[in-house]
Amino acid sequence: QQQVKQSPQSLIVQKGGISIINCAYENTAFDYFPWYQQFPGKGPALLIAIRPDVSEKKEGRFTISFNKSAKQFSLHIMDSQPGDSATYFCAATKTGSARQLTFGSGTQLTVLP
Amino acid sequence: DVKVTQSSRYLVKRTGEKVFLECVQDMDHENMFWYRQDPGLGLRLIYFSYDVKMKEKGDIPEGYSVSREKKERFSLILESASTNQTSMYLCASSLEGQGVADTQYFGPGTRLTVL
Repeated sequence: QQQVKQSPQSLIVQKGGISIINCAYENTAFDYFPWYQQFPGKGPALLIAIRPDVSEKKEGRFTISFNKSAKQFSLHIMDSQPGDSATYFCAATKTGSARQLTFGSGTQLTVLP
Repeated sequence: DVKVTQSSRYLVKRTGEKVFLECVQDMDHENMFWYRQDPGLGLRLIYFSYDVKMKEKGDIPEGYSVSREKKERFSLILESASTNQTSMYLCASSLEGQGVADTQYFGPGTRLTVL
């Protein structure tokens, strides 16, 4: 059972554009939502994370928007750069069972120069 | 910086062979994880360990076993490799928080091909 659904599977944007990746979850007990970034040949690394007590979190060009009622969250990359080309995974977990993350299926982002 | 290392970047094995994938972390983390990564399926948890000699099954444990004899080392074992186990295998570790979801730190992965 896939508890975190991620879309799109792949995304191509022009340099300077906005990249948007969406995730939806089913388990209302989830209360921590990180995004991981993976470059080719590397393991995923934490990019940014949010808890449902806020609707938005921004770190530089990366913003997470969170809609608790819709059980959806999204990653926005402003002014996308070729160096942002990577695979992005959303994830979710429940505090207290923090040892496990449920990952989305991943989005391969390509930013054209 | 946290460092998670995996014993091999690429591995080619034959069907029926016993395969060992090793992972070592240098930050004294309690939790360690093994995932497999397949296109379109994301990261799926195979097993995790929250202490030495302790293990719990993840979402897809069939065909795999694990061993954790020392805190820094977590091994994934394929008892009899099959072609459907051809995949990228990722190891991760995290610090055990007090009810806090802690960051998982990943190794670079081992791409296993079973012929």
